[in-house]
Amino acid sequence: QKEVEQDPGPLSVPEGAIVSLNCTYSNSAFQYFMWYRQYSRKGPELLMYTYSSGNKEDGRFTAQVDKSSKYISLFIRDSQPSDSATYLCAMSDILTGGGNKLTFGTGTQLKVEL
Amino acid sequence: GAGVSQSPRYKVTKRGQDVALRCDPISGHVSLYWYRQALGQGPEFLTYFNYEAQQDKSGLPNDRFSAERPEGSISTLTIQRTEQRDSAMYRCASRRSGGTDTQYFGPGTRLTVL
Repeated sequence: QKEVEQDPGPLSVPEGAIVSLNCTYSNSAFQYFMWYRQYSRKGPELLMYTYSSGNKEDGRFTAQVDKSSKYISLFIRDSQPSDSATYLCAMSDILTGGGNKLTFGTGTQLKVEL
Repeated sequence: GAGVSQSPRYKVTKRGQDVALRCDPISGHVSLYWYRQALGQGPEFLTYFNYEAQQDKSGLPNDRFSAERPEGSISTLTIQRTEQRDSAMYRCASRRSGGTDTQYFGPGTRLTVL
């Protein structure tokens, strides 16, 4: 079993829809949680970074962490065609100094249709 | 430079040959990371450096893989006696310092071993 599980999709939604992307994890030591966006043929870029349970909002994006359930989510409101990309969750534990050795999910491919 | 750069962008080699992949991090960034990303998967951690010191090499698959960052800036990932299973995208990332700073990813080197 992988430490981080993520549905690879693909996920196709109409423009303006609310998108929900999720990851589950098994390692209780994970304390830092990130969402990266990766466009085709590009490197991943950081979208959101959280280290506590609860919600964190940034514009149209909301990251949610539930450590008791080992479950994290990324919500995208008013989705746009430009949001079409692969979304990767990533995690790290405090033992590696936080944010160093990242463990990624497989990524969910999202397509927002006009 | 403006971002993390990697060279070459594409490398095709024959089984048994050695390859060296180069990463030039963002100027002034303390930490440098190497990841390997298979098609349809998230990046997989290989190793990382703070300045010139290799802090964690637990992700290197076997002793054919090595990395160095002798002057605390440019890094080289070397794969000796390449095998077909080494074919993947090799990504480099750099980070200014610790804590919650972002890892900025480069465009990657696509390695194909024939």
